[in-house]
Amino acid sequence: GNSVTQMEGPVTLSEEAFLTINCTYTATGYPSLFWYVQYPGEGLQLLLKATKADDKGSNKGFEATYRKETTSFHLEKGSVQVSDSAVYFCASGADSGYALNFGKGTSLLVTP
Amino acid sequence: NAGVMQNPRHLVRRRGQEARLRCSPMKGHSHVYWYRQLPEEGLKFMVYLQKENIIDESGMPKERFSAEFPKEGPSILRIQQVVRGDSAAYFCASSRARVNNDEQYFGPGTRLTVT
Repeated sequence: GNSVTQMEGPVTLSEEAFLTINCTYTATGYPSLFWYVQYPGEGLQLLLKATKADDKGSNKGFEATYRKETTSFHLEKGSVQVSDSAVYFCASGADSGYALNFGKGTSLLVTP
Repeated sequence: NAGVMQNPRHLVRRRGQEARLRCSPMKGHSHVYWYRQLPEEGLKFMVYLQKENIIDESGMPKERFSAEFPKEGPSILRIQQVVRGDSAAYFCASSRARVNNDEQYFGPGTRLTVT
Protein backbone atom coordinates (compact mmCIF):
# COMPACT_ATOMS: atom_id res chain seq x y z
CA GLY A 1 0.00 0.00 0.00
CA ASN A 2 0.91 3.65 -0.13
CA SER A 3 3.06 5.19 2.59
CA VAL A 4 4.65 8.52 3.42
CA THR A 5 7.92 9.48 5.08
CA GLN A 6 8.65 13.01 6.22
CA MET A 7 11.57 14.61 7.94
CA GLU A 8 11.88 14.44 11.67
CA GLY A 9 11.33 17.51 13.77
CA PRO A 10 11.25 19.68 15.64
CA VAL A 11 12.37 22.39 13.28
CA THR A 12 13.19 25.77 14.77
CA LEU A 13 13.59 28.80 12.50
CA SER A 14 13.88 32.53 12.92
CA GLU A 15 11.17 34.71 11.46
CA GLU A 16 11.63 35.36 7.71
CA ALA A 17 13.83 32.28 7.25
CA PHE A 18 13.31 29.83 4.39
CA LEU A 19 11.45 26.64 5.22
CA THR A 20 11.74 23.20 3.67
CA ILE A 21 10.08 20.10 5.09
CA ASN A 22 10.92 16.99 3.12
CA CYS A 23 8.33 14.37 2.24
CA THR A 24 8.67 11.25 0.10
CA TYR A 25 6.06 8.68 -0.75
CA THR A 26 5.82 5.09 -1.93
CA ALA A 27 2.91 3.98 -4.07
CA THR A 28 1.99 1.51 -6.75
CA GLY A 29 0.27 4.24 -8.75
CA TYR A 30 0.07 8.01 -8.61
CA PRO A 31 -1.87 8.98 -5.52
CA SER A 32 -2.98 12.49 -4.69
CA LEU A 33 -0.61 14.19 -2.26
CA PHE A 34 -1.43 16.61 0.55
CA TRP A 35 0.03 18.79 3.26
CA TYR A 36 -2.04 19.28 6.40
CA VAL A 37 -1.30 21.70 9.21
CA GLN A 38 -2.33 21.40 12.84
CA TYR A 39 -2.23 24.52 14.99
CA PRO A 40 -2.15 24.06 18.76
CA GLY A 41 -5.47 22.82 20.10
CA GLU A 42 -7.07 22.52 16.68
CA GLY A 43 -7.82 19.84 14.12
CA LEU A 44 -5.80 19.10 11.02
CA GLN A 45 -6.49 21.55 8.19
CA LEU A 46 -5.77 20.93 4.54
CA LEU A 47 -2.98 23.31 3.55
CA LEU A 48 -2.43 22.34 -0.07
CA LYS A 49 -2.72 19.43 -2.45
CA ALA A 50 -1.55 18.08 -5.81
CA THR A 51 -3.35 15.41 -7.76
CA LYS A 52 -0.88 14.52 -10.52
CA ALA A 53 2.78 14.65 -11.44
CA ASP A 54 4.30 18.13 -11.83
CA ASP A 55 1.30 19.77 -10.18
CA LYS A 56 2.22 22.53 -7.76
CA GLY A 57 -0.01 23.10 -4.76
CA SER A 58 0.14 26.47 -3.06
CA ASN A 59 -1.61 28.29 -0.24
CA LYS A 60 -0.70 31.05 2.25
CA GLY A 61 2.79 31.32 0.80
CA PHE A 62 3.47 27.59 1.08
CA GLU A 63 4.24 25.52 -2.00
CA ALA A 64 4.87 21.88 -2.84
CA THR A 65 5.46 20.22 -6.22
CA TYR A 66 4.49 16.63 -7.03
CA ARG A 67 7.76 15.09 -8.27
CA LYS A 68 7.21 11.67 -9.81
CA GLU A 69 10.90 11.13 -10.59
CA THR A 70 11.98 11.54 -6.98
CA THR A 71 8.63 10.47 -5.43
CA SER A 72 8.70 13.63 -3.37
CA PHE A 73 6.37 16.41 -2.28
CA HIS A 74 8.54 18.78 -0.25
CA LEU A 75 6.88 21.72 1.50
CA GLU A 76 8.52 25.14 1.10
CA LYS A 77 7.93 28.69 2.18
CA GLY A 78 10.18 31.60 1.37
CA SER A 79 9.70 33.59 4.57
CA VAL A 80 8.13 32.04 7.64
CA GLN A 81 6.22 33.92 10.28
CA VAL A 82 5.71 33.24 13.98
CA SER A 83 2.09 32.37 13.16
CA ASP A 84 3.32 29.45 11.02
CA SER A 85 4.36 27.59 14.16
CA ALA A 86 2.42 24.33 13.99
CA VAL A 87 2.73 20.64 13.17
CA TYR A 88 2.81 19.81 9.45
CA PHE A 89 1.68 16.45 8.09
CA CYS A 90 2.40 15.08 4.64
CA ALA A 91 -0.20 12.61 3.36
CA SER A 92 -1.05 10.52 0.33
CA GLY A 93 -4.36 9.18 -0.83
CA ALA A 94 -4.90 5.49 -0.26
CA ASP A 95 -6.17 3.09 -2.92
CA SER A 96 -9.62 3.21 -1.32
CA GLY A 97 -10.09 6.74 -2.60
CA TYR A 98 -11.14 8.13 0.76
CA ALA A 99 -8.58 7.09 3.38
CA LEU A 100 -5.36 9.04 3.82
CA ASN A 101 -1.86 7.79 4.68
CA PHE A 102 0.00 10.26 6.87
CA GLY A 103 3.61 10.88 7.78
CA LYS A 104 4.60 11.29 11.41
CA GLY A 105 4.31 15.06 11.36
CA THR A 106 6.98 17.73 11.66
CA SER A 107 6.75 20.31 14.41
CA LEU A 108 7.79 23.80 13.33
CA LEU A 109 8.62 26.58 15.78
CA VAL A 110 9.27 30.06 14.40
CA THR A 111 10.90 32.50 16.78
CA PRO A 112 10.76 36.32 16.51
CA ASN B 1 -20.13 27.17 11.68
CA ALA B 2 -18.75 24.67 14.17
CA GLY B 3 -16.12 22.27 12.96
CA VAL B 4 -15.69 18.65 13.87
CA MET B 5 -15.97 18.23 17.63
CA GLN B 6 -14.27 15.53 19.61
CA ASN B 7 -14.56 14.81 23.30
CA PRO B 8 -13.03 14.32 25.61
CA ARG B 9 -9.83 15.98 24.47
CA HIS B 10 -7.81 14.01 27.00
CA LEU B 11 -8.78 10.69 28.52
CA VAL B 12 -6.92 8.65 31.10
CA ARG B 13 -7.88 5.04 31.70
CA ARG B 14 -6.39 2.24 33.71
CA ARG B 15 -5.60 -1.08 32.07
CA GLY B 16 -8.75 -3.14 31.71
CA GLN B 17 -11.16 -0.21 31.68
CA GLU B 18 -13.27 0.89 28.74
CA ALA B 19 -12.64 4.04 26.71
CA ARG B 20 -15.37 5.84 24.76
CA LEU B 21 -14.35 8.53 22.32
CA ARG B 22 -16.97 10.77 20.76
CA CYS B 23 -17.01 12.59 17.46
CA SER B 24 -19.63 15.05 16.30
CA PRO B 25 -19.24 15.71 12.58
CA MET B 26 -19.68 19.07 10.95
CA LYS B 27 -23.25 20.13 10.35
CA GLY B 28 -24.61 18.45 7.24
CA HIS B 29 -21.91 15.76 7.21
CA SER B 30 -23.03 12.14 7.34
CA HIS B 31 -19.70 10.37 6.78
CA VAL B 32 -17.16 9.86 9.55
CA TYR B 33 -13.59 8.52 9.49
CA TRP B 34 -11.46 7.56 12.49
CA TYR B 35 -7.66 7.66 12.49
CA ARG B 36 -5.16 6.71 15.18
CA GLN B 37 -1.74 8.21 15.76
CA LEU B 38 0.53 6.03 17.87
CA PRO B 39 3.58 7.69 19.45
CA GLU B 40 6.27 8.43 16.88
CA GLU B 41 4.04 7.37 13.99
CA GLY B 42 1.76 8.98 11.43
CA LEU B 43 -2.02 8.88 11.50
CA LYS B 44 -3.40 5.52 10.42
CA PHE B 45 -6.88 4.97 9.01
CA MET B 46 -9.08 2.84 11.24
CA VAL B 47 -12.70 2.92 10.10
CA TYR B 48 -15.14 4.70 7.82
CA LEU B 49 -18.79 5.00 8.81
CA GLN B 50 -21.92 6.41 7.34
CA LYS B 51 -25.03 6.97 9.40
CA GLU B 52 -25.93 3.56 10.92
CA ASN B 53 -23.47 1.71 8.65
CA ILE B 54 -19.85 0.65 8.81
CA ILE B 55 -18.45 1.08 5.30
CA ASP B 56 -14.82 0.06 5.84
CA GLU B 57 -13.24 -1.18 9.06
CA SER B 58 -10.09 -2.60 7.51
CA GLY B 59 -7.85 -0.53 9.80
CA MET B 60 -9.53 -1.51 13.04
CA PRO B 61 -7.87 -4.03 15.38
CA LYS B 62 -9.89 -7.23 15.31
CA GLU B 63 -10.50 -7.36 19.04
CA ARG B 64 -11.64 -4.87 21.68
CA PHE B 65 -12.29 -2.02 19.22
CA SER B 66 -15.68 -1.09 17.82
CA ALA B 67 -17.24 1.94 16.21
CA GLU B 68 -20.73 3.17 15.57
CA PHE B 69 -22.45 6.17 14.05
CA PRO B 70 -26.10 6.08 15.08
CA LYS B 71 -28.90 7.89 13.36
CA GLU B 72 -28.94 10.43 16.17
CA GLY B 73 -25.95 11.55 18.15
CA PRO B 74 -22.19 11.42 17.71
CA SER B 75 -20.02 8.68 16.34
CA ILE B 76 -18.48 6.57 19.11
CA LEU B 77 -15.17 4.75 19.05
CA ARG B 78 -15.18 2.21 21.85
CA ILE B 79 -12.13 0.42 23.19
CA GLN B 80 -12.79 -2.36 25.69
CA GLN B 81 -10.26 -3.62 28.22
CA VAL B 82 -7.69 -1.03 27.27
CA VAL B 83 -3.99 -1.88 27.32
CA ARG B 84 -0.97 0.43 27.41
CA GLY B 85 -0.47 -0.04 23.68
CA ASP B 86 -3.80 1.72 23.06
CA SER B 87 -2.28 5.00 24.28
CA ALA B 88 -2.47 7.26 21.25
CA ALA B 89 -4.15 10.27 19.71
CA TYR B 90 -7.43 9.41 18.00
CA PHE B 91 -8.62 11.74 15.26
CA CYS B 92 -12.02 11.91 13.68
CA ALA B 93 -12.82 13.44 10.30
CA SER B 94 -16.10 14.01 8.53
CA SER B 95 -17.33 14.70 5.02
CA ARG B 96 -20.62 15.61 3.40
CA ALA B 97 -20.62 12.58 1.12
CA ARG B 98 -18.39 9.76 0.03
CA VAL B 99 -15.78 12.00 -1.50
CA ASN B 100 -12.21 12.15 -2.57
CA ASN B 101 -9.44 12.30 -0.01
CA ASP B 102 -9.18 16.03 0.33
CA GLU B 103 -12.65 16.85 1.48
CA GLN B 104 -12.37 15.43 4.97
CA TYR B 105 -12.49 17.89 7.86
CA PHE B 106 -10.62 16.86 10.99
CA GLY B 107 -11.33 17.33 14.66
CA PRO B 108 -8.67 18.24 17.26
CA GLY B 109 -8.26 14.65 18.44
CA THR B 110 -8.62 12.77 21.71
CA ARG B 111 -5.44 11.87 23.53
CA LEU B 112 -5.88 8.57 25.32
CA THR B 113 -3.43 7.59 28.03
CA VAL B 114 -3.60 4.12 29.54
CA THR B 115 -1.88 3.77 32.90
